[in-house]
Amino acid sequence: KAGVTQTPRYLIKTRGQQVTLSCSPISGHRSVSWYQQTPGQGLQFLFEYFSETQRNKGNFPGRFSGRQFSNSRSEMNVSTLELGDSALYLCASSLELQPNYGYTFGSGTRLTVV
Amino acid sequence: SQQGEEDPQALSIQEGENATMNCSYKTSINNLQWYRQNSGRGLVHLILIRSNEREKHSGRLRVTLDTSKKSSSLLITASRAADTASYFCAPTPNQGGKLIFGQGTELSVKP
Repeated sequence: KAGVTQTPRYLIKTRGQQVTLSCSPISGHRSVSWYQQTPGQGLQFLFEYFSETQRNKGNFPGRFSGRQFSNSRSEMNVSTLELGDSALYLCASSLELQPNYGYTFGSGTRLTVV
Repeated sequence: SQQGEEDPQALSIQEGENATMNCSYKTSINNLQWYRQNSGRGLVHLILIRSNEREKHSGRLRVTLDTSKKSSSLLITASRAADTASYFCAPTPNQGGKLIFGQGTELSVKP
């Protein structure tokens, strides 16, 4: 079966712009989580969605938002981009909120803000 | 939230040697998971050990869990250059909640 698909793979944006990243989970998976990874801060949890509802949220400003659609696909949006938003954004999916077999991650979207 | 702390931060070994990484956490867990990340890529789930299990094997991987000490270890036997990656532990709390990753252990296996 297809894995977790994140698009686009690479993105270059200018400060002040906004960006939307997409994540398609494994078919049948209803939980989607988002992470930001930077060399300085490591892997930081952004939010988790399950059945179109946000279930958990990390400590990020309101410029970071997300949503999940009825087909479980998820998008995250970052408005008013800052240089510090440059990072690898990872999406992970699972069947349920607290899976007994772990999460499956996508390959990530590399965002560069210039 | 629950965060795993991996130790050591970096480990360099020769091919064929064993690699041991440790993870400590603070509160009660439902399970603990280990992930691998090759440079700039997504994380790959390696193994999940439940709180009522003490040891689990998967191929060349062996994971132990000591809930009394709130610690876990990941052993990779007969390491290969392809094992070069960062390894993260992720404790899953009893009451549910998100996975919080530590800084990871950066493993380098030299041929």
